[in-house]
Amino acid sequence: NAGVTQTPKFQVLKTGQSMTLQCAQDMNHNSMYWYRQDPGMGLRLIYYSASEGTTDKGEVPNGYNVSRLNKREFSLRLESAAPSQTSVYFCASGDSGRGNTIYFGEGSWLTVV
Amino acid sequence: SQQGEEDPQALSIQEGENATMNCSYKTSINNLQWYRQNSGRGLVHLILIRSNEREKHSGRLRVTLDTSKKSSSLLITASRAADTASYFCATVPGRSFQKLVFGTGTRLLVSP
Repeated sequence: NAGVTQTPKFQVLKTGQSMTLQCAQDMNHNSMYWYRQDPGMGLRLIYYSASEGTTDKGEVPNGYNVSRLNKREFSLRLESAAPSQTSVYFCASGDSGRGNTIYFGEGSWLTVV
Repeated sequence: SQQGEEDPQALSIQEGENATMNCSYKTSINNLQWYRQNSGRGLVHLILIRSNEREKHSGRLRVTLDTSKKSSSLLITASRAADTASYFCATVPGRSFQKLVFGTGTRLLVSP
């Protein structure tokens, strides 16, 4: 099993450019998440999807959009990137039947210049 | 705002010593989980303790939960250099089964 796969691993964007981070999981989980991690801030939830067809805002949704394309895939889009969005982004998936233990991808390092 | 706050922010010990990290949270929870993150990698689940449990063990890990104080501790016994990582607590607030909220983490350095 690949688990949670996210792409790209690294990306440099110019301010104002747009991009989409892709995420796919092969564990048949209902829930999927996007987090960002900044030094000293821990992980902050951007958006999550409790099940296919639903998405909800987390702590820091401004500047982002998401799409739950199907049960496997959950993408995160930056429509107009800003330097404040320089961060490491993690996709995760989980199964509420296991107390919502979640499984993380390896991260995407995004730099906005 | 963060649900969980870990203490200390950083911890440096020698191999063989025990490492204790604490987590405090703000609201009632369904369960509390601990995760580990090696530098440059994603987080990995370590252990889950439910709100009606007080203590749980897994190998060299011991987790306690005090819901009256809204706090948890993670003890790693007989630390090894390979335990060097950041450790995060995460809570499932209230009745929410979907949204896991993370603390700010403790950076553990275990020196040989």
